[in-house]
Amino acid sequence: KNEVEQSPQNLTAQEGEFITINCSYSVGISALHWLQQHPGGGIVSLFMLSSGKKKHGRLIATINIQEKHSSLHITASHPRDSAVYICAVYNTDKLIFGTGTRLQVFP
Amino acid sequence: GAVVSQHPSWVICKSGTSVKIECRSLDFQATTMFWYRQFPKQSLMLMATSNEGSKATYEQGVEKDKFLINHASLTLSTLTVTSAHPEDSSFYICSASSGTSHTYEQYFGPGTRLTVT
Repeated sequence: KNEVEQSPQNLTAQEGEFITINCSYSVGISALHWLQQHPGGGIVSLFMLSSGKKKHGRLIATINIQEKHSSLHITASHPRDSAVYICAVYNTDKLIFGTGTRLQVFP
Repeated sequence: GAVVSQHPSWVICKSGTSVKIECRSLDFQATTMFWYRQFPKQSLMLMATSNEGSKATYEQGVEKDKFLINHASLTLSTLTVTSAHPEDSSFYICSASSGTSHTYEQYFGPGTRLTVT
């Protein structure tokens, strides 16, 4: 079992839909990263959080340390949101990555 | 802010040759840089961690003589794939952090796609 699990693995949506991607982890962490990887491969850091909730534009990230769970929400999704979303956790001396959620948003 | 660049963005080389990939932090001092490798449809795999001015720390299973890492300044780290073979073909991504602990936020470069023929 992976230390960081994401669900769903693949997600398709119509433009405008509200999207939720989940991340569960089984190790102790000091912080959690949500990353976005576009088809060309480049990775953009969306959020780094260790408690509560953060919001940036149409993106919202929440984390529940007790339940070892984080969610990434996208409101009013758009085709340009199509990408792989990766959850990664900081555990002692390294960053542990989930396998990613591939999101496709259709117009 | 917090921009990390990589060069080249893609490279094709012949088997047996060496390839150098540069990772630069453009607007901050990167005390620590990380090198990752990613195979198609797989997650990132940490290869090594380098701190400016000291030897890199390699993850288990990564050959340090094959993947030479140099972090000569606070804005530049290089990864040299020596005697490259087709199985070294992969997507290589660096990230940079302004701290020495893994809890400092990492900023990722755009990646370098290496193809060895």
